[in-house]
Amino acid sequence: EAQVTQNPRYLITVTGKKLTVTCSQNMNHEYMSWYRQDPGLGLRQIYYSMNVEVTDKGDVPEGYKVSRKEKRNFPLILESPSPNQTSLYFCASGGRDQPQHFGDGTRLSIL
Amino acid sequence: AQKITQTQPGMFVQEKEAVTLDCTYDTSDPSYGLFWYKQPSSGEMIFLIYQGSYDQQNATEGRYSLNFQKARKSANLVISASQLGDSAMYFCAMIESLFLFGGYNKLIFGAGTRLAVHP
Repeated sequence: EAQVTQNPRYLITVTGKKLTVTCSQNMNHEYMSWYRQDPGLGLRQIYYSMNVEVTDKGDVPEGYKVSRKEKRNFPLILESPSPNQTSLYFCASGGRDQPQHFGDGTRLSIL
Repeated sequence: AQKITQTQPGMFVQEKEAVTLDCTYDTSDPSYGLFWYKQPSSGEMIFLIYQGSYDQQNATEGRYSLNFQKARKSANLVISASQLGDSAMYFCAMIESLFLFGGYNKLIFGAGTRLAVHP
């Protein structure tokens, strides 16, 4: 079954404690992306990757890092999380001429 | 200017009736794709239907169809025979520069429409 898998689904943590949200896809997609969803602001792109070792900033990259060492994985790293990064996060992947499919989302609360 | 506009914050529909969710878009790019996603209360984002700017026919996927009017820059989602499980948030989204990037570009989302299906 074609899937984008994010972990964890839910996380409550404290300011400054480094965390990583993992994302993995089994569709051999080259394009992967992270979005955050906030009330009133909709979904905004954080980072994206066109292929292995190719990443670039989206619209709201501050406070985030990503890496793409393997095609299937695209982790999102918050080195020093702050309360304004409390949000619902989505990983998405897509191939050429294919719609982007999303993971189930990660609800992140930073206290 | 908003690239994707969904003017209906909320909609109600009776079970088994059809409903149309509006979406207008703004782009000067000749090659773009339009998408609809469904977000139930559980939070996941589910792909429903896609329409390319050069597609001649309106897209259909089961009970979902996309009423694409290019000159009016509208891409309304029509759900036929509504079911209780259709109650969710619905997002219209666009990818620009399709010929240049294929699907390798960010999705630009509208604010969403919350649909409630009543029995």
